[in-house]
Amino acid sequence: DSGVTQTPKHLITATGQRVTLRCSPRSGDLSVYWYQQSLDQGLQFLIQYYNGEERAKGNILERFSAQQFPDLHSELNLSSLELGDSALYFCASSTGQGGKLFFGSGTQLSVL
Amino acid sequence: GENVEQHPSTLSVQEGDSAVIKCTYSDSASNYFPWYKQELGKGPQLIIDIRSNVGEKKDQRIAVTLNKTAKHFSLHITETQPEDSAVYFCAASIGGIREGGSARQLTFGSGTQLTVLP
Repeated sequence: DSGVTQTPKHLITATGQRVTLRCSPRSGDLSVYWYQQSLDQGLQFLIQYYNGEERAKGNILERFSAQQFPDLHSELNLSSLELGDSALYFCASSTGQGGKLFFGSGTQLSVL
Repeated sequence: GENVEQHPSTLSVQEGDSAVIKCTYSDSASNYFPWYKQELGKGPQLIIDIRSNVGEKKDQRIAVTLNKTAKHFSLHITETQPEDSAVYFCAASIGGIREGGSARQLTFGSGTQLTVLP
């Protein structure tokens, strides 16, 4: 167990809908990262937060947004969902901005 | 940006044999190279990592080597066991390793499905 908690484990929704994925980092970790894993794109970095502030953006679509709250948990919001958004979404955390990354078990999103 | 290529995509070995997975990276500024193991239904698990100031690192049956000049690094698993069967990912990043360092954006390889046959 990495200590990173992601909910829900599975999410099934329809095109055009909006969903929220939640992540609780390991105790003491200030950085949260979001990654998307799909068969054709592999593991892709989406966005990083450090102590509540956005620190880096990767291949994140404009329809997606994230935030990190004062208690350090993070949420990834996906809107106007398309079939191609179906993927595994992972959250990872680390102690600082450059520490080792520890991944949660992911949220499997299926857009029908 | 950084590009990481990983080979082979699938690898089958007999139990007790060694397995080697290779990765190359494109950005010479990359300074951190972790390896992750992902089992079915689970998230990637960090198994070993190496920084650019080190050429080799070993942890029991697992070792990683880094050749900065050639920009490639490899994972070596000796005395493989059935529980080693999983998908292995290499990654590379540029970033600080201390508090307050720059963001660590990992660029992952495409993964290697390792199967250890009993």
